[in-house]
Amino acid sequence: ETGVTQSPTHLIKTRGQQVTLRCSSQSGHNTVSWYQQALGQGPQFIFQYYREEENGRGNFPPRFSGLQFPNYSSELNVNALELDDSALYLCASSFGLAGTDTQYFGPGTRLTVL
Amino acid sequence: AQKVTQAQTEISVVEKEDVTLDCVYETRDTTYYLFWYKQPPSGELVFLIRRNSFDEQNEISGRYSWNFQKSTSSFNFTITASQVVDSAVYFCALSEAGGSARQLTFGSGTQLTVLP
Repeated sequence: ETGVTQSPTHLIKTRGQQVTLRCSSQSGHNTVSWYQQALGQGPQFIFQYYREEENGRGNFPPRFSGLQFPNYSSELNVNALELDDSALYLCASSFGLAGTDTQYFGPGTRLTVL
Repeated sequence: AQKVTQAQTEISVVEKEDVTLDCVYETRDTTYYLFWYKQPPSGELVFLIRRNSFDEQNEISGRYSWNFQKSTSSFNFTITASQVVDSAVYFCALSEAGGSARQLTFGSGTQLTVLP
């Protein structure tokens, strides 16, 4: 069984640029959630995709957007990058939306905005 | 609104000592789920345990044990006979049954250092 994978591992961008991060969910999982983890803090929920539809969103501006594909992999897009977007971006997959469905995390993408 | 508080920012113990990581949560839902995750220096969050709000039984898994007390809204995590490999950041998280998204709300984490 393949776990959650994310690419790239590290990324350096400059302010104002756009970035796309990718996530492949664990085999059998149809729900993907994205989190932003700033240095020294806990992860913050960005949004969640269930069966290719956005299912919920945290307190992040519209320049954070996403997609989920028919194979349940997902992308996180961030436009007009700001310095504060520098963080570890974590993707998590789960089987469904029940509270008993545990989210399993990938290794993350570390984004640095200069 | 849901909230998770981990008051201990950093804890340092010597190998073989027992250590307890505290977690206090706030929620208006009567049905909710509590989690503990471990984050080693590599960055990946590793799932440790999930607890349902209607199940207050304590759980033990090897050297790990969890104490869930609804009366004090706490879900504490104890490592017995700690080892150097236990060094990591530990996060407590909460998910509410209400709402469409099963988002996790995390605490700020506790950095555990186990010294040899």
